[in-house]
Amino acid sequence: DVKVTQSSRYLVKRTGEKVFLECVQDMDHENMFWYRQDPGLGLRLIYFSYDVKMKEKGDIPEGYSVSREKKERFSLILESASTNQTSMYLCASSLSKQGEAFFGQGTRLTVV
Amino acid sequence: GNSVTQMEGPVTLSEEAFLTINCTYTATGYPSLFWYVQYPGEGLQLLLKATKADDKGSNKGFEATYRKETTSFHLEKGSVQVSDSAVYFCALANYGGSQGNLIFGKGTKLSVKP
Repeated sequence: DVKVTQSSRYLVKRTGEKVFLECVQDMDHENMFWYRQDPGLGLRLIYFSYDVKMKEKGDIPEGYSVSREKKERFSLILESASTNQTSMYLCASSLSKQGEAFFGQGTRLTVV
Repeated sequence: GNSVTQMEGPVTLSEEAFLTINCTYTATGYPSLFWYVQYPGEGLQLLLKATKADDKGSNKGFEATYRKETTSFHLEKGSVQVSDSAVYFCALANYGGSQGNLIFGKGTKLSVKP
């Protein structure tokens, strides 16, 4: 089974802190994604990557950056956390661009 | 551009009731279609999929048929259980697009009462 693991289930950070959310997948997938999920808004794509050291902006990249130094790891970085970044963050990976995505368990981030 | 529209919730049913969650899509070509389920506090899990017109995806008693003529992929289950309470997302493969590989609907929350 594909396993996508996010480093934390729950995280509380202060406004202005730099925050790292880590995601690791164990199935050698090329593609990795970061979404945020908010009530009434569904899933919104933040960033994605189709290869090591490559990144593409999604729908809402402002205030975020990403890093993909190794194929299995895709990190989401909040450069200076703000309260409006309080959300559920979901990482996903897929084998092909048209195939299903496999999701991690999510990280619920609260910025105070 | 490609998009997915699914019925808004929440949907509340009694145990053993019949479930339908409507999903329609707009897309060029013939994208693969998916239903995902999210249980409370968890990430999304793939529930079922269909890759071409008239395909029926099925899993855990849930079914959905890829209808090209009506651009729909409605989710159905004949007899729901309390354990089916979750949020359900319809999605399509966004090939040819630049915004990642899947386009999701906004989700439909299902609550099943004993």
